[in-house]
Amino acid sequence: DQQVKQNSPSLSVQEGRISILNCDYTNSMFDYFLWYKKYPAEGPTFLISISSIKDKNEDGRFTVFLNKSAKHLSLHIVPSQPGDSAVYFCAGHSGNTPLVFGKGTRLSVIA
Amino acid sequence: DAGVIQSPRHEVTEMGQEVTLRCKPISGHDYLFWYRQTMMRGLELLIYFNNNVPIDDSGMPEDRFSAKMPNASFSTLKIQPSEPRDSAVYFCASSQSSTSRGYTFGSGTRLTVV
Repeated sequence: DQQVKQNSPSLSVQEGRISILNCDYTNSMFDYFLWYKKYPAEGPTFLISISSIKDKNEDGRFTVFLNKSAKHLSLHIVPSQPGDSAVYFCAGHSGNTPLVFGKGTRLSVIA
Repeated sequence: DAGVIQSPRHEVTEMGQEVTLRCKPISGHDYLFWYRQTMMRGLELLIYFNNNVPIDDSGMPEDRFSAKMPNASFSTLKIQPSEPRDSAVYFCASSQSSTSRGYTFGSGTRLTVV
């Protein structure tokens, strides 16, 4: 049973445009959500997070939106750059439990 | 700080052989996690330790999998006997707490069982 779902395995976006990566979750106990970025042959690295008490968190070109009623979050990258091409993992957790990750979305930013 | 160090980076082995994956966490991190990445299941948690003690191994797929953490600076994940369906990338991560912000992942071990 996937508690965190990333239904789009891949996404292609032109350089300079907005990239929107989506994530749905089923566990209503999750109180913190994160996005990790993974390049080939490297481990995932933390990108941005959001607490369940907020609906938006912004860090430079990256913004995460949370819609608790829909159990949905999204990552916006504006403007997209070729260096953003990577696999993006959405994750959630509650209390002291470890992170639960989705399957990931591969983003390709085309120059 | 060298980060989380995993070895080997790549492992190719024949079905039925024993495989041992190794991890050195970041010094001072109390938590260590083993994750497996596959296309079908994404990043799934296998087991995690707190202060060298296994806390939850419910993600370990079968009895063929075992993990140990004999001290704060070393952990192993062993598969015996290995099977082709074990082929995946195995990640080790460490953290100062079990919560989100401090997870640092190693570069992973790509395991291929033929």
